[in-house]
This record gives sequence, C-alpha cells and structure tokens, in this order.
Amino acid sequence: SQTIHQWPATLVQPVGSPLSLECTVEGTSNPNLYWYRQAAGRGLQLLFYSVGIGQISSEVPQNLSASRPQDRQFILSSKKLLLSDSGFYLCAWSATSRKLFFGSGTQLSVL
Amino acid sequence: AQSVTQLGSHVSVSEGALVLLRCNYSSSVPPYLFWYVQYPNQGLQLLLKYTTGATLVKGINGFEAEFKKSETSFHLTKPSAHMSDAAEYFCAVSDNSGGSNYKLTFGKGTLLTVNP
Repeated sequence: SQTIHQWPATLVQPVGSPLSLECTVEGTSNPNLYWYRQAAGRGLQLLFYSVGIGQISSEVPQNLSASRPQDRQFILSSKKLLLSDSGFYLCAWSATSRKLFFGSGTQLSVL
Repeated sequence: AQSVTQLGSHVSVSEGALVLLRCNYSSSVPPYLFWYVQYPNQGLQLLLKYTTGATLVKGINGFEAEFKKSETSFHLTKPSAHMSDAAEYFCAVSDNSGGSNYKLTFGKGTLLTVNP
C-alpha cells in the first residue's frame, strides 16, 4: 500500500533562517506531488506541484522554492524565512484517480 | 479558472442532528468535486468525490453529497451528527480537462462543532 511521510511535524524558526521540509512517498511510482499551505482562515493554497523528477511548477510567487531530486521525494525550501511564511504545510500525492493523499503536515512558526 | 465557496466558516450542531455543510463551485468545464475532512494537526482525508455518473455520492462515516449542476452546488450532509464528526471540512474542485496533473482548488473550510 502507498504511504506518504512528511517531516518534521512542528518547526519553530527565526526570521531570516533557512527552511527545508521533506516529503517522501512509498508504494507508488511517478506520482504527481504537491505542496499546499494552510494559513488560518484562508483554506489551502497550492504552492507547487510536480509531475516528474526535476519538473516543478509554481502556483504563486513567494519566498519559497521546491525541488524533486528523486521520483518519490519532494522538498520545500527557503533561503530566508519571513514571518508570513508561518502556516501549516501539507504535502500530497496523486496518481490517476484524481484523489489527493495528504501527509500529516508540518506546523511552521516563524518568530 | 475554478473557485470554491464554502458558506459558513463555522457550523455548530447538536449530537444526533442533521449536518449540512454548503459548497458552491465555479468552473468553466465540468468539474470533479471533493470533500475532505481534517482533524486537528493532521493532514486531510478524502470523504467522498464526484466525477461522473450518479449525482448523489456516498462517502465514509455516513456522509453524502449531491452534485447539483443547475445550482453549482455540492453540499455535504449527514443525517445524524456524532461527536467524532467534529473537524474541519474542505470542499474542493478539479477540472476534468485532461492531462496528468490533478490540481485541486480548495474552499476556505468549515469548522464543524458537535454539542452533546
């Protein structure tokens, strides 16, 4: 069966520090991968998606970047965090069913 | 472009009462529609989805939703609320224009509280 792992679960970082969140998927190959951010009262916002290794599409201009170095690995990064980067970050994958499978999320607090 | 509007950011019901969470969508092509549930500090779980065919869709935990094209709605219902239903619920839309990328547009969510 397929599983998705996302870590860390919580993270507190100072403004200006770098960020790296990692997501891996097991039990499937060539999944579509997604990073969503959930800010209080604003629902889920799609940040990045990837349909293959090295293929990244950005949905909104921002302080973040994403990379897909391996088929089932998706990384969200920032060189310098801003206060506005705080939120709950969710990784997700999909195959052919149009169903998204979500990770357990990372609560990021930038102070 | 697609969009989703969830009416009511917070809905409160009594245990055993009907649950009705409203969702209206906008899409230029026939949509795929989804309801997800999120428990505190967790990811989202799929409750149900509509793609094609029968407009009344049954999901997990006794929830169901009806696709009404004329009203551009996909409201979520459950006949009798249970304490364990307390969570945040998200409606989402995806276009079915083809291709391999299934991007979902989510509503802002509705927090459901269930009172004993």
